[in-house]
Amino acid sequence: NAGVTQTPKFQVLKTGQSMTLQCAQDMNHNSMYWYRQDPGMGLRLIYYSASEGTTDKGEVPNGYNVSRLNKREFSLRLESAAPSQTSVYFCASSPWRGDGYTFGSGTRLTVV
Amino acid sequence: GQQLNQSPQSMFIQEGEDVSMNCTSSSIFNTWLWYKQDPGEGPVLLIALYKAGELTSNGRLTAQFGITRKDSFLNISASIPSDVGIYFCAGQPQGGSEKLVFGKGTKLTVNP
Repeated sequence: NAGVTQTPKFQVLKTGQSMTLQCAQDMNHNSMYWYRQDPGMGLRLIYYSASEGTTDKGEVPNGYNVSRLNKREFSLRLESAAPSQTSVYFCASSPWRGDGYTFGSGTRLTVV
Repeated sequence: GQQLNQSPQSMFIQEGEDVSMNCTSSSIFNTWLWYKQDPGEGPVLLIALYKAGELTSNGRLTAQFGITRKDSFLNISASIPSDVGIYFCAGQPQGGSEKLVFGKGTKLTVNP
């Protein structure tokens, strides 16, 4: 099915470990986004990529890096995981700015 | 930056009741969108509104783009148990930003 695919779905990390969350979309969308969702906080934008080759910081970028590998793929990297990064992470894409986003099903990350 | 105030934060209703929730902002928005997030899943687009005053329905859901362009509401008629979830409003601020702004969500519980 067409859409946004995120891997892994679940992950447990120890403090200080690193990992990369993968996201791929097959809808030929230009823009891609990474959000984190915490109870009572809604969706907070970490990083986004308006088009292939560009990335920009969102509301909560500290502790994260991103790579727009090509038009389809946008990865999120945690270099040294901290318990405060325990969250549910969503990737999203949109065909052009301002249009509705299509979200992946999320990665549930726990840092112990 | 632009913020969306979504209310109520949570609702507990009986099956068959109608539901109303809204989003307001001090800024003007060009687009309003409503998403639903089922437990354990990513948000899914329900309704998109592109014009001030626009009223759009999707089954039992009806949403309106406020005439002032600073608010939007979502109504759900004759609620059923599968309406349970978190409903998010989102909007594209005037000024051409490619990023949507999200409300913090309304958590809906429907008692059978």
